[in-house]
Amino acid sequence: SQQGEEDPQALSIQEGENATMNCSYKTSINNLQWYRQNSGRGLVHLILIRSNEREKHSGRLRVTLDTSKKSSSLLITASRAADTASYFCATVARDDYKLSFGAGTTVTVRA
Amino acid sequence: EAQVTQNPRYLITVTGKKLTVTCSQNMNHEYMSWYRQDPGLGLRQIYYSMNVEVTDKGDVPEGYKVSRKEKRNFPLILESPSPNQTSLYFCASSLYSANTEAFFGQGTRLTVV
Repeated sequence: SQQGEEDPQALSIQEGENATMNCSYKTSINNLQWYRQNSGRGLVHLILIRSNEREKHSGRLRVTLDTSKKSSSLLITASRAADTASYFCATVARDDYKLSFGAGTTVTVRA
Repeated sequence: EAQVTQNPRYLITVTGKKLTVTCSQNMNHEYMSWYRQDPGLGLRQIYYSMNVEVTDKGDVPEGYKVSRKEKRNFPLILESPSPNQTSLYFCASSLYSANTEAFFGQGTRLTVV
């Protein structure tokens, strides 16, 4: 079963703008991860945020986690054409061993 | 170079003809898993393995088998493929568990006619 759901399904922005996408999940988690996928290729890990963390940064990426609302957001600042990709959140429920992905947000960055 | 290698990358086969998709990782990871990706559904886990000789079902295991005889290899077996198994398949590995960063292979696009 899918644990996470991303919103919006698709996002189109101008180069230089910020892109924000959200992820909601259903059960208590150990951590939440974000991945990027370029058109039909393998997923690449971006960032992992633990359940006791509220915010994490990595370069132009900023991830927040609100466990009370069971939601997370991924912000990409100063977007570039190379950021065009699909972005997925993934979670592992407590006492589980499976990594569950949402359906993803497709981001298009226009030059 | 640290990587997860899947083969083949593309495969067209006929209904009922057994096939195996291989997956190998060179990072000494304990946890390996298989996913299928279908439009609008994201990635769904088929099987996972927490270590050698330890495998367990994911969310969509029907019609698939796996084995983990060696730490580095985790083949996916379709004993009697059907058209609804047409999909993009990914193998992934993680150091200890699903709670650590996953490294993905490049994918296998399977078409069953």
